[in-house]
Amino acid sequence: GAGVSQSPSNKVTEKGKDVELRCDPISGHTALYWYRQSLGQGLEFLIYFQGNSAPDKSGLPSDRFSAERTGGSVSTLTIQRTQQEDSAVYLCASSLWDRPYEQYFGPGTRLTVT
Amino acid sequence: DQQVKQNSPSLSVQEGRISILNCDYTNSMFDYFLWYKKYPAEGPTFLISISSIKDKNEDGRFTVFLNKSAKHLSLHIVPSQPGDSAVYFCAAMSVGGTSYGKLTFGQGTILTVHP
Repeated sequence: GAGVSQSPSNKVTEKGKDVELRCDPISGHTALYWYRQSLGQGLEFLIYFQGNSAPDKSGLPSDRFSAERTGGSVSTLTIQRTQQEDSAVYLCASSLWDRPYEQYFGPGTRLTVT
Repeated sequence: DQQVKQNSPSLSVQEGRISILNCDYTNSMFDYFLWYKKYPAEGPTFLISISSIKDKNEDGRFTVFLNKSAKHLSLHIVPSQPGDSAVYFCAAMSVGGTSYGKLTFGQGTILTVHP
């Protein structure tokens, strides 16, 4: 079956602009996760959704970051007023609600802020 | 405070031999440990996981061993193949409270398998 898909695969934006990153999880996976990998850094957890709700938003780096999920499926991660330090690969993963220890990742969106 | 550490940045192995990738952790509250493989420009690929109540889990060529007293786990790949060459990440998670589903990753180990 289809895996996790993300769009766009690459995004170049100017500092100060807003960007939206999209994630389409595996069908039937009610849990969805966002991570990012900055240059030379490990993978960093941002936020997770169980259905449409996000119990813990404390992993988001600043209030310029927000995420939503509607219909229990597609999720968007929005970064407002992008800064150069936001440049990273943003990865989305999904899992069955009761198997968070089997998270399947999408290919990622490479964001470059110039 | 790095809760999950992979102290070897790289490992080189001959095809057909065993690859052993190591990972240490500091948080005794972790409930599950996972291993991922990552090729350049792709997302991580889930390989295998182990519950903290077990000490071994096997899936084909991949076996993960967990030593809770030492807070150490390892991934064994037998036999190693050139296609296994990738970056391997160890990750850990708790299922309690707001940490549910949050994976904490190590820095990764680059595995190179020579033909």
